[in-house]
Amino acid sequence: QKEVEQNSGPLSVPEGAIASLNCTYSDRGSQSFFWYRQYSGKSPELIMFIYSNGDKEDGRFTAQLNKASQYVSLLIRDSQPSDSATYLCALNTGGFKTIFGAGTRLFVKA
Amino acid sequence: DTGVSQNPRHKITKRGQNVTFRCDPISEHNRLYWYRQTLGQGPEFLTYFQNEAQLEKSRLLSDRFSAERPKGSFSTLEIQRTEQGDSAMYLCASSFGQGGSSYEQYFGPGTRLTVT
Repeated sequence: QKEVEQNSGPLSVPEGAIASLNCTYSDRGSQSFFWYRQYSGKSPELIMFIYSNGDKEDGRFTAQLNKASQYVSLLIRDSQPSDSATYLCALNTGGFKTIFGAGTRLFVKA
Repeated sequence: DTGVSQNPRHKITKRGQNVTFRCDPISEHNRLYWYRQTLGQGPEFLTYFQNEAQLEKSRLLSDRFSAERPKGSFSTLEIQRTEQGDSAMYLCASSFGQGGSSYEQYFGPGTRLTVT
């Protein structure tokens, strides 16, 4: 079992819809969770981080964490074509190493 | 530009040659990370520095890879006797952190290595 699992996609949503991206992880000791956006040919860009169970909102983005079920999700409201990218879920288990998933490709249709 | 910078942006080398990449982190960041990313995969952790100390190194990293961060500022990653399997994007990231916690990291543009 991979440490961080993401559906590779592509996830296709129409413009203006809510995009829901999910991530599950295997290590119950994981403490910090991050979502990065990566455009093709570019480096990852931090979107959100979440440390506690529940929801965290920032503009059109909401991160949700459920440690009991070992999943973290990212909701993108009012999706725009510019949101089309690969979204990487990452976590830290308390040490210095950050573990990334393989990413989910999102395509927002105009 | 106050972000993370990496040089060179692209490197083409022949198998067996040595290559060195440089990373300049955000100035106030004490933590520096190196990752490797191949097509369709997320970044794979290589090594971590806190200030000038290399505190963690991936077990996947062979002895051909070495990294330094003299004086806790810029860092270099050297690959000796390159192999075709080393072809990848090498990413550097930095963050500010204290204690044992990991904080959000900011990535540089990466160095794309092609080994022919």
